[in-house]
Amino acid sequence: KAGVTQTPRYLIKTRGQQVTLSCSPISGHRSVSWYQQTPGQGLQFLFEYFSETQRNKGNFPGRFSGRQFSNSRSEMNVSTLELGDSALYLCASGQQNNEQFFGPGTRLTVL
Amino acid sequence: TQLLEQSPQFLSIQEGENLTVYCNSSSVFSSLQWYRQEPGEGPVLLVTVVTGGEVKKLKRLTFQFGDARKDSSLHITAAQTGDTGLYLCAAWGSGGSNYKLTFGKGTLLTVNP
Repeated sequence: KAGVTQTPRYLIKTRGQQVTLSCSPISGHRSVSWYQQTPGQGLQFLFEYFSETQRNKGNFPGRFSGRQFSNSRSEMNVSTLELGDSALYLCASGQQNNEQFFGPGTRLTVL
Repeated sequence: TQLLEQSPQFLSIQEGENLTVYCNSSSVFSSLQWYRQEPGEGPVLLVTVVTGGEVKKLKRLTFQFGDARKDSSLHITAAQTGDTGLYLCAAWGSGGSNYKLTFGKGTLLTVNP
């Protein structure tokens, strides 16, 4: 069974731009979560989607948004990028509140 | 908001040594998970502990859930270089925070040959 895939793996953007990250969950998993990982704050929950519905959202500004498609694939978008948005963005899929299977992440650098 | 505090933040030891890392909170959890993350990869689940006082073993790794289900520890016996990585504890929210997995900031372990 293929694991969680994320694209792109690396991204460099400048302040003020926007970015879209993509995540394909493990086949059969309907829950997709997104996390931001930085050295200072660690792994922080962004949002979770199940069957195209956002069920929970972390404490991030409205510039961070996401969506899930009918095939469970998910995208997250960050608008008006700031230097502090530089981070590793991780996507995870799972079934119920159990094990989260993580992708390798997208490393975003904002210059 | 539940907060998971991990200690120590950094740990550098020699191969063959034993070590323990801790995960503490003021909240009671129905379960707690431990993940390990290696450079360039996402975290991978090591274990889920559910019952207060529970002890689980995974080869040289021993996980314990506190009796009050507020804390947990991970003990590694005779550490190997392959144990190097970031160890994270995590817990699912409850009530309005269902479907949200909260992580501690992690313990970065380096095992030197």
